[in-house]
Parts: sequence; structure tokens; C-alpha cells
Amino acid sequence: QKEVEQNSGPLSVPEGAIASLNCTYSDRGSQSFFWYRQYSGKSPELIMSIYSNGDKEDGRFTAQLNKASQYVSLLIRDSQPSDSATYLCAVTGGYQKVTFGTGTKLQVIP
Amino acid sequence: DTEVTQTPKHLVMGMTNKKSLKCEQHMGHRAMYWYKQKAKKPPELMFVYSYEKLSINESVPSRFSPECPNSSLLNLHLHALQPEDSALYLCASSQVRTSGSYEQYFGPGTRLTVT
Repeated sequence: QKEVEQNSGPLSVPEGAIASLNCTYSDRGSQSFFWYRQYSGKSPELIMSIYSNGDKEDGRFTAQLNKASQYVSLLIRDSQPSDSATYLCAVTGGYQKVTFGTGTKLQVIP
Repeated sequence: DTEVTQTPKHLVMGMTNKKSLKCEQHMGHRAMYWYKQKAKKPPELMFVYSYEKLSINESVPSRFSPECPNSSLLNLHLHALQPEDSALYLCASSQVRTSGSYEQYFGPGTRLTVT
């Protein structure tokens, strides 16, 4: 059973639209949640972190966490072609051990 | 400054060679990580050091040997690798949290090819 699940995509959205990326996790004791962006051939880049239920906004990005539903999402407003990348959801259950989802490939169409 | 540096950027080695990957951070982080990432797969955790002590070893084969000489440096010593060990090796660092973890910052990675 996968611990962190994401739809692999590709998720295609037109430029200027809202992209919605979703992630579910199996460990109910998970405490830390992250979204990373990874361009092809590059290393993951931290986009957002969220630790408590609710929404957290940073510029065009909003992370949403619902621990009761074991669900975390990332919204990207006003999507740009430069947002085209793979988005990795990462969850920490135990001490310092981060588990990554398989990633969702986002394509923003100009 | 959120920079983690890794050297070399690319490495080609034979199955009988011994080589080392190096990672450095100057953010004052006391947790450092090694990950392995194969193409189109997520990063897989290999090792975690907290306060310069090995805290997590994800059952990695002994041909991979980590070392944390001080709070800023992390090495991964490689010996007798197999072609299937070819991958992108990522180093990351973070502050230490008593449960869960804080944000991890990744270096650019070392692209390793084993021939």
C-alpha cells in the first residue's frame, strides 16, 4: 500500500487558470507536509510547507491541509508556462523521515 | 541563504572504483539527508544524520557508506557499485524538529553513472 498518493497526470491547464494538485496519505500520525516542484533533470525545490489544518497562502500558491481526511492539496493561481513541472507531495510521519509521493506532472498551455 | 552545494555534478565510475560524493550547507541546519532518485521516480530516502549522528539508515546496501565529519558536511562513500545504482543522488538539509520535520532544502544533486 502506497503511503503517499498523487495522480501522476499529466494535468493540463491553460495559462492563467487555476491548477489544483492533490495528495492523500495513509499515516494518520503525519505531522509535516510539503510541496516541492521539480523541473526535469533538476533537484526538488520547496514550494510550500504546512503543519496545521486549513489554508496557507504564499503568492500564487495555496496549500490546504485536512488531517481528518488525510488530504493535502496545492492550488496554483494564474498558472504560467514556467509552472510546468512535476509537483511532489512530501509527508513526514516519524522523526525526520520524509516520504514522497510519485508526483503530478503539470503542463500549462500558453 | 538556502543553498546546499554538492560535488561533483556528474560522476562516471566503474564497478571496482571507490569514489565519494560531497555535500555542504551553511544554513546552520543540524539534520542532513541523502536521497537516491531514479528517472521518473520520487526521491528515496537513504540516510539521515541528526546532530552529526546517523539516525536513519533505510536498509541501504553496505557499498554505500555515509559520513558526517561536522555539522556542515556530509559525504557518501561509494565502493563496488552496480549499474543499477546509476541515479541522481540528492543531499538535503533541515533544522531538527522533535517530531515530524522542518522544510528540507535540496542541493543540485550528483548524476552518477556506473559502468
